[in-house]
Amino acid sequence: NAGVTQTPKFRVLKTGQSMTLLCAQDMNHEYMYWYRQDPGMGLRLIHYSVGEGTTAKGEVPDGYNVSRLKKQNFLLGLESAAPSQTSVYFCASSPNTGVFEETQYFGPGTRLLVL
Amino acid sequence: KQEVTQIPAALSVPEGENLVLNCSFTDSAIYNLQWFRQDPGKGLTSLLLIQSSQREQTSGRLNASLDKSSGRSTLYIAASQPGDSATYLCAVKDGGSQGNLIFGKGTKLSVKP
Repeated sequence: NAGVTQTPKFRVLKTGQSMTLLCAQDMNHEYMYWYRQDPGMGLRLIHYSVGEGTTAKGEVPDGYNVSRLKKQNFLLGLESAAPSQTSVYFCASSPNTGVFEETQYFGPGTRLLVL
Repeated sequence: KQEVTQIPAALSVPEGENLVLNCSFTDSAIYNLQWFRQDPGKGLTSLLLIQSSQREQTSGRLNASLDKSSGRSTLYIAASQPGDSATYLCAVKDGGSQGNLIFGKGTKLSVKP
């Protein structure tokens, strides 16, 4: 099993450009998450999904859109990139979010630089 | 709003020392607490997960404790090794955050040979 994979690993964008980050998991997990990690800020949740066809906003959703058309994929879109979106983006998945849940499994991250 | 704080932000120790990393949280109504490890340029790897009804969890040289009433958790690393060098992140899950994880900013550990 590959676990959680992210594409691309690194990308440079100009302000105003758009792009889509792809997250894929092969563990048949119901829940998937997108985080961003910035120096001094820790990890912050952008959007999440509790199942195929569902999405919800996290702590910092502005400027991002997501889609979960297939259970194994979770896409994060930037319609008009801004320098403030320069960050490392992590995708994660988990089997459930019940009270006695298992942990989240993280991908290796995508480094995004917006000039 | 739940806040998670980790102290110290960075720690440097000689190989072989036993060490303690601290995590505190402001709202004791949590479902669980997790400790993760992050190596430079990599994703997070789960180390230990403590359910709200548990007091501690152990895995090899790692032991994590949870005191919900005081809003504290500690990660104890025994006989530290250079390979333990990484950033350690604490995260709590509570109902107030839509059941999602709230992360601390991490403790960067360096174990010198």
